[in-house]
Amino acid sequence: AQSVTQPDIHITVSEGASLELRCNYSYGATPYLFWYVQSPGQGLQLLLKYFSGDTLVQGIKGFEAEFKRSQSSFNLRKPSVHWSDAAEYFCAVGHGTPLVFGKGTRLSVIA
Amino acid sequence: EADIYQTPRYLVIGTGKKITLECSQTMGHDKMYWYQQDPGMELHLIHYSYGVNSTEKGDLSSESTVSRIRTEHFPLTLESARPSHTSQYLCASSDRGLNTGELFFGEGSRLTVL
Repeated sequence: AQSVTQPDIHITVSEGASLELRCNYSYGATPYLFWYVQSPGQGLQLLLKYFSGDTLVQGIKGFEAEFKRSQSSFNLRKPSVHWSDAAEYFCAVGHGTPLVFGKGTRLSVIA
Repeated sequence: EADIYQTPRYLVIGTGKKITLECSQTMGHDKMYWYQQDPGMELHLIHYSYGVNSTEKGDLSSESTVSRIRTEHFPLTLESARPSHTSQYLCASSDRGLNTGELFFGEGSRLTVL
């Protein structure tokens, strides 16, 4: 069965610090992987996606993620966090089927 | 910019009322979905559709129903709302031709049942 694990429920980082949000997945075939961001009271916005090819993918807002097949991971990174990055972040997996989402990680940013 | 719209954005109603949450998209996507989002953030798939006159139940059992009479429209109905239905409901669509599963989301409908 497909599943996504985001081990960190809540992370707090200082503005300007680096960020890594973890995502591990279980999927029977080659997965398509996604990171979405949700601001309060809003829907989900796509940050980046991985289908194939280069395992390091760039997204919007300065985010990147690296697909590691051997570790079944797709961690999200940003070198320098801005206060506006405070939001909920969701990792998702699928391949033409309805996406399965992780439980999300809440990011707080402090001055 | 995704073009998928949900109405109402916020709704407070009493127990026993019938409600319909509207979802429309202008991208011509065949696939549409409804997710229910708990206060603790987790998303659960409750309904999806791969085209007109096609609807399926998702992973989470729901007392709601859906219909897909037109490609662009995927409304969700609760015949008799209860406090346990209080949640945020997110509508999404994806392109069947690309078949990647990438979802485009609406801004959500937050339902409170008193």
